[in-house]
Amino acid sequence: EVQLVESGGVVVQPGGSLRLSCAASGFTFDDYAMHWVRQVPGKGLEWVSLISWDGGVTYYADSVKGRFTISRDNSKNSLYLQMNSLRTEDTALYYCAAPAAGLLGPLDYWGQGTLVTVSS
Amino acid sequence: DIVMTQSPLSLPVTPGEPASISCRSSQSLLHSDGHNYLDWYLQKPGQSPQLLIYLVSNRASGVPDRFSGSGSGTDFTLKISRVEAEDVGVYYCMQGLQIPPTFGQGTRLEIK
Repeated sequence: EVQLVESGGVVVQPGGSLRLSCAASGFTFDDYAMHWVRQVPGKGLEWVSLISWDGGVTYYADSVKGRFTISRDNSKNSLYLQMNSLRTEDTALYYCAAPAAGLLGPLDYWGQGTLVTVSS
Repeated sequence: DIVMTQSPLSLPVTPGEPASISCRSSQSLLHSDGHNYLDWYLQKPGQSPQLLIYLVSNRASGVPDRFSGSGSGTDFTLKISRVEAEDVGVYYCMQGLQIPPTFGQGTRLEIK
């Protein structure tokens, strides 16, 4: 069974930093691109970032470019999101998700999310 | 960025009745490979989103056949032939043609 388990969400002050993790199991992690998608509580879905299977290709939403860094460690079946210079508008539930094929394939697998709150 | 626009935003439906959700994109989602890169997701209350339909009309594994998708280019539709109580939640369309992937605002389906 495919499982994606996010962790690392906490309350952090504006301007602070945080690293989210996503532990993957039940599939061959290094065969898959991975995404981060976020959702402000009660609002819609916003794509944040993606990384290719080998980490060689990354993309970011304009809203996080230059502040967030996506990475992965295939030896640990783990995905990360380093979040710097956090803003109140970054407050959201952050999901990791995986497409079954390709970089932009439909997101077949989702984690349960980890909540990041940016507040003073 | 491609803008995705859904309608209606709220959809009250009587159980057993059909339901339809529209999704329009600001640019054609038709790729040169012949596929339209449009997917549908359902987020049930308190849950993560789940893939419902991919490439316009292909049901994801385990999705009941009362769900169907259609459309091409910039106009797409998700239909539920007979709504059941378990179908409540927020439905999102998403384009996967170009980066950044973008979602519609969501359509909240509720049972009357």
